[in-house]
Amino acid sequence: QLVLTQSPSASASLGASVKLTCTLSSGHTNYAIAWHQQQPEKGPRFLMKVDTDGSHSKGDGIPDRFSGSSSGAERYLTIYSLQSEDEADYYCQTWGTASLVFGGGTKLTVL
Amino acid sequence: QVQLQESGPGLVKPSQTLSLTCTVSGYLIITGGYYWSWIRQHPGKGLEWIGYIYSSGTTYYNPSLKSRVSMSVDTSKNQFSLKLSSVTAADTAVYYCARVRREYGDSSAVDNWGQGTLVTVSS
Repeated sequence: QLVLTQSPSASASLGASVKLTCTLSSGHTNYAIAWHQQQPEKGPRFLMKVDTDGSHSKGDGIPDRFSGSSSGAERYLTIYSLQSEDEADYYCQTWGTASLVFGGGTKLTVL
Repeated sequence: QVQLQESGPGLVKPSQTLSLTCTVSGYLIITGGYYWSWIRQHPGKGLEWIGYIYSSGTTYYNPSLKSRVSMSVDTSKNQFSLKLSSVTAADTAVYYCARVRREYGDSSAVDNWGQGTLVTVSS
């Protein structure tokens, strides 16, 4: 079964960097994923698609501070120079045959 | 710039049918190349895929909801719609419409989201 696993929470200081992880289930480790940001009381926003080789393509207007990478079954979202508006929930998403799958989300707190 | 906007009743009675419409601007559904999806979020919870539809009318639904879900597309109005029957309080959620990339004949990343609409199921 295609499952995405995310840590429920993460925190980092203003101006620092943070790396969020999304883990693909066994047997699906060659899947690409997408990252989405959901700020408080808002709808999600597409950040980027991350491929198996770590290459990523961002959505319109996504700052350079956001970067994606990949290693084995893990897909990463790194945010550099954290700003207060980066405090949000981050969801990874992938796709199977005629289906979409979301991770449980990581709540990022900017200290 | 693609924009999606959900519309429909914010309150539905138990056992009735929830009906929502998504109006798309900035991209013509009939052009193809994308799926058009509904995704929901229960209060304080994560995201749940409901299903998606192609411009041809071909649909794909989440197996857990398939018996109660129906989607349709109206290319003349550049809209697509969701119907969820026999609703209960467990269907109370924010419902999002979204655009999904179509790659190699299958779905891919969600790359545009509507702002969402809260639907409450209550008598």
